[in-house]
Amino acid sequence: GAVVSQHPSWVICKSGTSVKIECRSLDFQATTMFWYRQFPKQSLMLMATSNEGSKATYEQGVEKDKFLINHASLTLSTLTVTSAHPEDSSFYICSAPRTSGFNNEQFFGPGTRLTVL
Amino acid sequence: QKEVEQNSGPLSVPEGAIASLNCTYSDRGSQSFFWYRQYSGKSPELIMFIYSNGDKEDGRFTAQLNKASQYVSLLIRDSQPSDSATYLCAVNMLSGGFKTIFGAGTRLFVKA
Repeated sequence: GAVVSQHPSWVICKSGTSVKIECRSLDFQATTMFWYRQFPKQSLMLMATSNEGSKATYEQGVEKDKFLINHASLTLSTLTVTSAHPEDSSFYICSAPRTSGFNNEQFFGPGTRLTVL
Repeated sequence: QKEVEQNSGPLSVPEGAIASLNCTYSDRGSQSFFWYRQYSGKSPELIMFIYSNGDKEDGRFTAQLNKASQYVSLLIRDSQPSDSATYLCAVNMLSGGFKTIFGAGTRLFVKA
């Protein structure tokens, strides 16, 4: 199957600092990538859709100025959590569809566990 | 109504039994449906996808889709302890732009 990587796999930071998470599609190009957040024992919540060459589309309730998304190339999307606070501590997962079109499955990165002290 | 609904469980079955996981969705126009398995602390991995009404079998897994009832299910035959995980139902929706919406997941425990 397709491979999606994320970096870092975990990060611990102080409150008020910014953290950048990278998502890469390793063996395919992805014009679209998705960013999810998952709190313990809860489901994946879609945060935003990252679009190569254009602005990201954010889901309702997600602050675009706090969660900055940049889709720099066809294989890389980054999520920056700005001025992180303890309530931002969560498991952040990116995904990418390998092919365009409606009927395509998502391939997930391994996730990044963020802990804000 | 949630866009994709699943019984959170936990669902407990003995080893060797059939585990039945269910999911309903709200967007009648949805066309593609997926089942993912997620182990604790890990990201989801795709088990099966189904696009057409009826059954689709892959090894011990069978996905069933009924678009009229807006219902999709996953059957796991000969359940093994290693099948113990959270199973996420996902639906590709067109409303509000193409995106994949996940259910809350059903926790499955297979007892040895």
